[in-house]
Amino acid sequence: GQSLEQPSEVTAVEGAIVQINCTYQTSGFYGLSWYQQHDGGAPTFLSYNGLDGLEETGRFSSFLSRSDSYGYLLLQELQMKDSASYFCAVLGDTGRRALTFGSGTRLQVQP
Amino acid sequence: GAGVSQTPSNKVTEKGKYVELRCDPISGHTALYWYRQSLGQGPEFLIYFQGTGAADDSGLPNDRFFAVRPEGSVSTLKIQRTERGDSAVYLCASSPSASANYEQYFGPGTRLTVT
Repeated sequence: GQSLEQPSEVTAVEGAIVQINCTYQTSGFYGLSWYQQHDGGAPTFLSYNGLDGLEETGRFSSFLSRSDSYGYLLLQELQMKDSASYFCAVLGDTGRRALTFGSGTRLQVQP
Repeated sequence: GAGVSQTPSNKVTEKGKYVELRCDPISGHTALYWYRQSLGQGPEFLIYFQGTGAADDSGLPNDRFFAVRPEGSVSTLKIQRTERGDSAVYLCASSPSASANYEQYFGPGTRLTVT
């Protein structure tokens, strides 16, 4: 089986940097994805780490440490529109092609 | 181009009824996934298609749930004898191939309410 843990809520101010952590336990592991979901909207893909290290995409970066079963999403220069839920998702279990999602972190950006 | 579309956007049905939810993936995407999402939770995997065949249906909760993708494009999720616990948002996603399944494109979902 698989389980993921991430904080339920995070609050930050505009222009700040926020880090959302994700720890996972899996019986097999291929990589870690991050998705953003605004209220009432569809999840949208942000980033993927298949190897250890940092991946940078604009204001968003994601990090993975396989040895620690840990990853994080870093959001820089926060904007009000970044207020949303953020999900880490594991691609794991040998042969399984679907993602297992965490429960999500609700980010509130304040002015 | 067009994204993943799902119909209906909302469905209210009575306990015990049968419902069908439709998903139209991005053109050319061979992999298609169904998830369901309850309030405050992440999407929960139901079934995955590669082409026309169900490659992994291990997430279907019981035999009341069934899905098809007869021509390798549009998919229909079918729920028999609906129960109040089936109420959730049902999400469909597609990806260009099984090897790129870490990046999935989600539709807006169908909100199912069983009364």
